[in-house]
Amino acid sequence: TQLLEQSPQFLSIQEGENLTVYCNSSSVFSSLQWYRQEPGEGPVLLVTVVTGGEVKKLKRLTFQFGDARKDSSLHITAAQPGDTGLYLCAGDEQAGTALIFGKGTTLSVSS
Amino acid sequence: DAGVIQSPRHEVTEMGQEVTLRCKPISGHNSLFWYRQTMMRGLELLIYFNNNVPIDDSGMPEDRFSAKMPNASFSTLKIQPSEPRDSAVYFCASSPLRAHGYTFGSGTRLTVV
Repeated sequence: TQLLEQSPQFLSIQEGENLTVYCNSSSVFSSLQWYRQEPGEGPVLLVTVVTGGEVKKLKRLTFQFGDARKDSSLHITAAQPGDTGLYLCAGDEQAGTALIFGKGTTLSVSS
Repeated sequence: DAGVIQSPRHEVTEMGQEVTLRCKPISGHNSLFWYRQTMMRGLELLIYFNNNVPIDDSGMPEDRFSAKMPNASFSTLKIQPSEPRDSAVYFCASSPLRAHGYTFGSGTRLTVV
């Protein structure tokens, strides 16, 4: 069974700080995706990474896929209260198979 | 597009009762997924369909759970009989076939008392 381990589980920071959250596995994934979920809503896709070593930027968010395609990281620069939420990573063994999700990192950014 | 539509948003039922959750995927999306989310276990895949055909139901916890997709625009997840341990948020998601990104509905929060 493939597992995605996310760390840290909880993170509470002040507005303006930088942070990195991690997603690790012993398995190789075809792709890794990051989602953000707010209370009472479903997860919303932020980004998909498919190539080992790939780096993608989305405004203040930087996503990286590990060279071996087993891990990924999400870095947020100058966090804002609007970044608060549950960040989930998800991977698929191959395109067309269902995503496996990590348990997520709960981020709280206070002003 | 209205996105993935789930109903009801909240369901409270007594142990032993039948519960039916409903999902309308995005038009044109050929894959549909049912997930369950709890604090302890996170998001777990229950079953998914490609072109209305069930592909993998290994995540369905017991025979009490069943899912159908009679056409491309509708799916149901049924629990009969329901038990308190079934209490969770159930999400439906859809995507184009073999696409990487999913669109999730807002979920159904099920409480079995």
